[in-house]
Amino acid sequence: GAVVSQHPSWVICKSGTSVKIECRSLDFQATTMFWYRQFPKQSLMLMATSNEGSKATYEQGVEKDKFLINHASLTLSTLTVTSAHPEDSSFYICSGQSTEPNTEAFFGQGTRLTVV
Amino acid sequence: GDSVTQMEGPVTLSEEAFLTINCTYTATGYPSLFWYVQYPGEGLQLLLKATKADDKGSNKGFEATYRKETTSFHLEKGSVQVSDSAVYFCALWDTDKLIFGTGTRLQVFP
Repeated sequence: GAVVSQHPSWVICKSGTSVKIECRSLDFQATTMFWYRQFPKQSLMLMATSNEGSKATYEQGVEKDKFLINHASLTLSTLTVTSAHPEDSSFYICSGQSTEPNTEAFFGQGTRLTVV
Repeated sequence: GDSVTQMEGPVTLSEEAFLTINCTYTATGYPSLFWYVQYPGEGLQLLLKATKADDKGSNKGFEATYRKETTSFHLEKGSVQVSDSAVYFCALWDTDKLIFGTGTRLQVFP
């Protein structure tokens, strides 16, 4: 199947700093990228959907100024957690989907963010 | 809106036991249905899918049948292995995004 590479797999940062997470589709063009957040022992919560070349659509309750999403190309999307706080510590997962409708989305390996 | 309901876990089984993880959905149309598996510390991997009623998805010994009449997509495996221990997510495709169930943790002991 198609591959989505997410980097870094884990990161520790100090409160107040910003962290960037990259998500790359390696062998397909991801027209749409999804960013999820997963709390311990819970399901995935969709944070935002981004389409290449346009602004991301954020789910209700997600601060767009805090979670900056960029999808500048068909193979790369980034999530930047700005001014991170301990409550932002979580597992973040991206997924990419090609242009064909109703097809599966391919997931990255996830990033474990710990803010100290 | 559309939603997915999964049985709560954890499900604890001995090796070679039969597995069923229940999943039901609510949707206005006939969405594609998926099972994803998440191994510890990793992202999600697609396990199987079904795109229309009565379709059966299968992979690695796991099966699930799209039942329109009961709006269900239960996951089954005849003989589980220790390596199947993971969290399993049922999901449906809702127009432009996946909607996940809460996940069911499976623990298989030798």
